[in-house]
Amino acid sequence: AQKVTQAQTEISVVEKEDVTLDCVYETRDTTYYLFWYKQPPSGELVFLIRRNSFDEQNEISGRYSWNFQKSTSSFNFTITASQVVDSAVYFCALSFITQGGSEKLVFGKGTKLTVNP
Amino acid sequence: DTGVSQDPRHKITKRGQNVTFRCDPISEHNRLYWYRQTLGQGPEFLTYFQNEAQLEKSRLLSDRFSAERPKGSFSTLEIQRTEQGDSAMYLCASSLLGGGADTQYFGPGTRLTVL
Repeated sequence: AQKVTQAQTEISVVEKEDVTLDCVYETRDTTYYLFWYKQPPSGELVFLIRRNSFDEQNEISGRYSWNFQKSTSSFNFTITASQVVDSAVYFCALSFITQGGSEKLVFGKGTKLTVNP
Repeated sequence: DTGVSQDPRHKITKRGQNVTFRCDPISEHNRLYWYRQTLGQGPEFLTYFQNEAQLEKSRLLSDRFSAERPKGSFSTLEIQRTEQGDSAMYLCASSLLGGGADTQYFGPGTRLTVL
C-alpha cells in the first residue's frame, strides 16, 4: 500500500535559520511521483514541486531545495534562511495509479512550520 | 489565468440538513478531484472525474455523498442528511491529463461545520 510519513508534526525556528522537513514514502510501484504542497493559514494548498521516481537529482528553487533519495525512500525539503512568510503547514504527497486506472494523491499528515521573527 | 475556485468558502449547517458545494476548475483542465481534510490531517481522496465521467470513488464516500460534473466543467459535491462527522474542509483540485503524473492544483476549500 502507498503511504507517506511526515514524522515532524511541528517545527519552530527563528527567522534566517535553515530548516529541513522530512518525508518518507512507501510504495511498491517502480514509477511514481512525489510532491510537496504548502498550506498557509488561508487554507489553499499551493503546489511547490513534482519529482518522478526516475529523477534523483536534487533541485533548488531560490531558498527552497529538495533531496530525493530512493535508497532511503525519502524526499526531504529544506528552506534556507527561513522567513516569517514561510510559516505554513507543508505536505508531502505520493501519486500513484489505482487498479481502476485513476491517478490518486496520498498525503502525509503535514508538518506545521512556524518561523518566528 | 484564474485558479480553481470553490463556493461557498464556509458553510455552517444543522445536523440532518443537505448541503451542496461547487468547484470551478482551471478552464482547460479535464480532470477534477474532491478531497476531504480534517484537522491535523492531510487531504484524503474522495472522488475523481475525467471530463464528465466519475471514474473513481473512495470508500470514504458514503451513500449520503454524491458528486457530479455535468458537461465536464464545474463540479458539485452534495452531502445529504449531514452528520457532525462530516465537519471538515472539502478541497477541490484540477489537473490536465498528460504524460506522467498530472500536477493537481487546489482551490481554497469549503469549510463545513455541522452543528
